[in-house]
Amino acid sequence: DVKVTQSSRYLVKRTGEKVFLECVQDMDHENMFWYRQDPGLGLRLIYFSYDVKMKEKGDIPEGYSVSREKKERFSLILESASTNQTSMYLCASSPSPKGLAKNIQYFGAGTRLSVL
Amino acid sequence: AQKVTQAQTEISVVEKEDVTLDCVYETRDTTYYLFWYKQPPSGELVFLIRRNSFDEQNEISGRYSWNFQKSTSSFNFTITASQVVDSAVYFCALSEKAGANSKLTFGKGITLSVRP
Repeated sequence: DVKVTQSSRYLVKRTGEKVFLECVQDMDHENMFWYRQDPGLGLRLIYFSYDVKMKEKGDIPEGYSVSREKKERFSLILESASTNQTSMYLCASSPSPKGLAKNIQYFGAGTRLSVL
Repeated sequence: AQKVTQAQTEISVVEKEDVTLDCVYETRDTTYYLFWYKQPPSGELVFLIRRNSFDEQNEISGRYSWNFQKSTSSFNFTITASQVVDSAVYFCALSEKAGANSKLTFGKGITLSVRP
């Protein structure tokens, strides 16, 4: 089974803190994604990466950055956390476009972040 | 631009009722994938099905069935004889391009509550 692990289920941080959300996948997937999920808004893509050290902005990248130094790990960074970044954050990975499982994303359990 | 509309926001049924979750999509691509995911209270999105735009055959998997109609740009999901364990948020999603880096556009989700 594909396993996507997010380091924390719940986090509480203060406004202005630098926050790191970590995600690790064990299936050697090329692509990795960060979403945030808010009531009534569904899932919105923050950033994604299709290779080590490669990243692309999603629909709502403002206030976030990412790091992918190793294939299995994709980190989301909140440079200076603000209260409007209180949300559920979901990480996902998917294999390359070749093969039967292409385009299927596999998700972690999510990190519920509260910024006070 | 890609768009997925799930007009229903919340549905409540009594156990053993059948329920259909609607999904309408917009895309200019001729080749694309459609998906359904389930998000139980635990938070992790679980992949249910992927449908290729060239394959309009309906699919059945146990109590689940999917009806794909390109003519109406719809990909509806029916649960037959619903059970309490079906209570979850269900997301429909559309891939940007089949064969690309598997970026997905999600609908806002439908919260299904199945009462005993």
